[in-house]
Amino acid sequence: DAGVIQSPRHEVTEMGQEVTLRCKPISGHNSLFWYRQTMMRGLELLIYFNNNVPIDDSGMPEDRFSAKMPNASFSTLKIQPSEPRDSAVYFCASTLGGGPYEQYFGPGTRLTVT
Amino acid sequence: GNSVTQMEGPVTLSEEAFLTINCTYTATGYPSLFWYVQYPGEGLQLLLKATKADDKGSNKGFEATYRKETTSFHLEKGSVQVSDSAVYFCALFTGANSKLTFGKGITLSVRP
Repeated sequence: DAGVIQSPRHEVTEMGQEVTLRCKPISGHNSLFWYRQTMMRGLELLIYFNNNVPIDDSGMPEDRFSAKMPNASFSTLKIQPSEPRDSAVYFCASTLGGGPYEQYFGPGTRLTVT
Repeated sequence: GNSVTQMEGPVTLSEEAFLTINCTYTATGYPSLFWYVQYPGEGLQLLLKATKADDKGSNKGFEATYRKETTSFHLEKGSVQVSDSAVYFCALFTGANSKLTFGKGITLSVRP
């Protein structure tokens, strides 16, 4: 079975441009998480959804970041406008909700903002 | 609130050396505990877990025992290999919501 799918795998953009990262969770999973990883700050939880509803977005850095989950099989993380400090690897993960179940991580999107 | 504390890294070992990576936690209730591993260029993947006190999780030669009295979940392996070079994250789940609380991670490098 396919795991969590993320696209693109690499994104290079100029400061001020809009960036959209995409995620397809594992079929049947009802919880989805967006993380950001940098050398300086490590792994940070940005936002997570249960049953397509955002539950906790307290990790979203600022209003330039937004996330949506229009259905159970797709989520987006958008940065508008992008800044160089947004450069990081962004991971999407999914799991069955409601218990101590494994979170399955995607391969990540490496974002570089110049 | 919930938190996970991992020992400072990085850690560099020679092949076949014994490995211990410390992890302690603070949590309300009775958390489940996890170790995740991240190989270079990949996402995190579950290495092992324990859901109640005194449980031992094990996988790929790695072990960790859930110690409620010391609030610890230290990761051990008797003989590391070069292929174990990765970043290791300790994490906890309390059931208050679906999310995991991760430690900062520690980088392990194993020399041939």
